[in-house]
Amino acid sequence: NAGVTQTPKFQVLKTGQSMTLQCAQDMNHEYMSWYRQDPGMGLRLIHYSVGAGITDQGEVPNGYNVSRSTTEDFPLRLLSAAPSQTSVYFCASSYSWRGARAYEQYFGPGTRLTVT
Amino acid sequence: AQSVTQLDSHVSVSEGTPVLLRCNYSSSYSPSLFWYVQHPNKGLQLLLKYTSAATLVKGINGFEAEFKKSETSFHLTKPSAHMSDAAEYFCVVRDDYKLSFGAGTTVTVRA
Repeated sequence: NAGVTQTPKFQVLKTGQSMTLQCAQDMNHEYMSWYRQDPGMGLRLIHYSVGAGITDQGEVPNGYNVSRSTTEDFPLRLLSAAPSQTSVYFCASSYSWRGARAYEQYFGPGTRLTVT
Repeated sequence: AQSVTQLDSHVSVSEGTPVLLRCNYSSSYSPSLFWYVQHPNKGLQLLLKYTSAATLVKGINGFEAEFKKSETSFHLTKPSAHMSDAAEYFCVVRDDYKLSFGAGTTVTVRA
C-alpha cells in the first residue's frame, strides 16, 4: 500500500493563477478530507467527502473546490490563488466516518504552497 | 462544537526525563480524542486515541494519555524522552464530520 499520496510536494503560484492539488489513496477508504496548516493554528478542514460523488464544506472552504468522482481520488482546486492561501495542505483519509467509532485518519505528506 | 486547547505552545526537556503535554477538551458528550505527532517536514502520525474503552490509553513509542472527565483533560506523557521525540504534537477531538485540532505543542529535547 502506498497509503495517501499527494502531488506536488512544493508549488509556487502567482496571484490569480489556478491549480489542482492531487490526492489519492489506495486503501479503499470511504472518507477523505483536505486540511490546511498555518503556524499556531493547527490544521483546519477545507472540504471533505464521505464517499464518491458526495462532498461538503469544512471550516475554511472559500477559494477552493473539490470533487470526488472515484473512491481513490480527491483533488483540491484553487480557483484564483491569493497570498492568504500560502500554506501547507494535507489530504487525509479514513475507512469510514459513520457512527461513533473513531476511525484513524491517515495523512499524506503534504503540499507546501506559496502564492506571491 | 467540540474543541481542544493545548496549554503549552512549547515544551523543552532533557533526554531521559519525563515529558508532559497538556490538553483540555470541550465537549457536550463523550468525546473521541486523539494525539497526533508531526516530525519536521513530514505528515501527521497517530500516537494514540481514546474512544471510551479505557481511561488510560497506551500509544506508540512509549507514549500514553489519561482521559479525565472531571478535569476535561487528555494529557500526553512519556516517562523518558528520546532525541527522536523532538516534533510537534497535536491534541485532536472528533467533531461531527471533522477533526478539530489544537494549536500544537512543539517539543525540543536537549542532549
